[in-house]
Amino acid sequence: GAVVSQHPSWVICKSGTSVKIECRSLDFQATTMFWYRQFPKQSLMLMATSNEGSKATYEQGVEKDKFLINHASLTLSTLTVTSAHPEDSSFYICSAHRYEQYFGPGTRLTVT
Amino acid sequence: AQKVTQAQTEISVVEKEDVTLDCVYETRDTTYYLFWYKQPPSGELVFLIRRNSFDEQNEISGRYSWNFQKSTSSFNFTITASQVVDSAVYFCALNTDKLIFGTGTRLQVFP
Repeated sequence: GAVVSQHPSWVICKSGTSVKIECRSLDFQATTMFWYRQFPKQSLMLMATSNEGSKATYEQGVEKDKFLINHASLTLSTLTVTSAHPEDSSFYICSAHRYEQYFGPGTRLTVT
Repeated sequence: AQKVTQAQTEISVVEKEDVTLDCVYETRDTTYYLFWYKQPPSGELVFLIRRNSFDEQNEISGRYSWNFQKSTSSFNFTITASQVVDSAVYFCALNTDKLIFGTGTRLQVFP
């Protein structure tokens, strides 16, 4: 149990376009989901906390207008990277909380 | 402030050697959780262990063991008889109001 999926697993997009990443808890409901970003050979950094039915809470330094988070249901949170630029290229990992955080497999975003 | 320090950036060992990964944390909270995760090249985080701040009992699980010492704020992880499949990046993490990861230790096990 406690499986979290992410879609897509990898995506390549052109600079200036927007990309949506989905995070789903497959076998449990999660009122809280988290989004992390990991640059190559670096640690995971929390970007935002997503609560179902309310606005996400962003960490300091994360642009909320650039990284749009929607948690419309108890099993789905989405992260949209708007007007993506090459510096947004990274590995994005979500987690869903039930007693503890269960991590998705990650989405590798490359912006050309 | 909450902080997790993994001073070892990279460790290389030969198969069957024992290896210890160090983790030192900082927090003023009295209630917290500590974690170890493994991240293989695929990128997916693999949960290894969770410890709460009130449980200082060491734990052994197969070839893995963990030494939690509140007096030194350390939560070290030992792999005995390492194998090539153990090659990965290992993260120590601290959870108080949010989950904070250390910088990770890249372990390479050579045959």
